[in-house]
Amino acid sequence: QVQLVESGGGVVQPGGSLRLSCAASSFTFTTYAMHWVRQAPGKGLQWVAIVSYDGTKKHYVDSVKGRFTISRDDSKSTLFLQMNSLKPEDTAMYYCARGNLGGFDSWGQGTLVTVSS
Amino acid sequence: QSVLTQPPSASGTPGQRVTISCSGSSSNIGINTVTWYRQLPGAAPKLLIHSNNQRPSGVPDRFSGSKSGTSASLAISGLQSEDEADYYCAAWDDSLNGYVFGTGTTVTVL
Repeated sequence: QVQLVESGGGVVQPGGSLRLSCAASSFTFTTYAMHWVRQAPGKGLQWVAIVSYDGTKKHYVDSVKGRFTISRDDSKSTLFLQMNSLKPEDTAMYYCARGNLGGFDSWGQGTLVTVSS
Repeated sequence: QSVLTQPPSASGTPGQRVTISCSGSSSNIGINTVTWYRQLPGAAPKLLIHSNNQRPSGVPDRFSGSKSGTSASLAISGLQSEDEADYYCAAWDDSLNGYVFGTGTTVTVL
């Protein structure tokens, strides 16, 4: 079955950077758009970014534009999220999700990002 | 920020029917399909309903979705203890050029 495994989370100081990865398996990675969705502690879900199946189109939530970059390496079936100029409000569990059926049909287990001095 | 509004909580006794509403606007629910997700405590969300009212394989027919205008709803019939979870709606927003989630509803089985 579809498997998505995130990694790269951790504790970082405000203004710092992190790169999240999401290794995909058991499906044809190149035929699906991919997303990052985050959830601050005790809060609801927030969509962060999407990259199209071919990597040509990318969209972001306003709060991360100019700071975060979503990308994909189809040769390794891996999704990335480069996060720069991190703020305390970026503290959250970050999930990668497969885009399908008008939403997100498979999710990883998440990787926790904590921005704190 | 959430653009779709849900009630913060809903509850029922085992066997009852519970309905959760999701209110949006003409730029999201009004012109795009709605999906629903269930998130058990400490777990990742799971797709429950897509295309407004379609269940992925493996999702029990106790779960049903509907949409009318700029609002959608999720119904859970035959409520069970394992239905205690957070439920979220979502839709693409043409004005924001991104997905928006609902504020989330916590379902409690009394």
